[in-house]
Amino acid sequence: DQQVKQNSPSLSVQEGRISILNCDYTNSMFDYFLWYKKYPAEGPTFLISISSIKDKNEDGRFTVFLNKSAKHLSLHIVPSQPGDSAVYFCAASDAGGTSYGKLTFGQGTILTVHP
Amino acid sequence: NAGVMQNPRHLVRRRGQEARLRCSPMKGHSHVYWYRQLPEEGLKFMVYLQKENIIDESGMPKERFSAEFPKEGPSILRIQQVVRGDSAAYFCASSPTGRITEAFFGQGTRLTVV
Repeated sequence: DQQVKQNSPSLSVQEGRISILNCDYTNSMFDYFLWYKKYPAEGPTFLISISSIKDKNEDGRFTVFLNKSAKHLSLHIVPSQPGDSAVYFCAASDAGGTSYGKLTFGQGTILTVHP
Repeated sequence: NAGVMQNPRHLVRRRGQEARLRCSPMKGHSHVYWYRQLPEEGLKFMVYLQKENIIDESGMPKERFSAEFPKEGPSILRIQQVVRGDSAAYFCASSPTGRITEAFFGQGTRLTVV
């Protein structure tokens, strides 16, 4: 049972444009969400997170939006840069962000940003 | 300050052999998580350990898999009598507080069972 789903295996975007990566979840107990970026042969790197008490969190070029009623979150990257090309994973926790929480990951979306 | 170190980076084992994967956390980190990534899938939680204690092993297969994090030395994920289905990338992450948002991942060990 896939509780976190990233339905787009890949996304191709032109440099300077917006990249929108989507993620859906089914478990209502999830209360904290994270996005990770992963380059080949490396481990995931934490990018940005959002608590379920918020609907938006912004950090530089990265913004995460959460729609609890739709059980949907998205990551916006503006403007996209070639160095953003990587696999992006959405992850969720049911233990909040301030306590330990094992994460449930989506399958990942490969983002390619063309110069 | 070195990052989370995993070794070996690549490990090839024949069916039935044992695999030992090592994870040295970042300096000052006493909390370790292990995740497994099967081909075409996301990472799946296996186990969460603190020094000398297993806190949550709900993601570990019941048989053949074990993990430890001794007082001294790296955390070890041990897979006995490996099968082809164990072929995957195994990632560990370490955290100073246990909070996953403060955790850093290692580069992973790619296990191939032939």
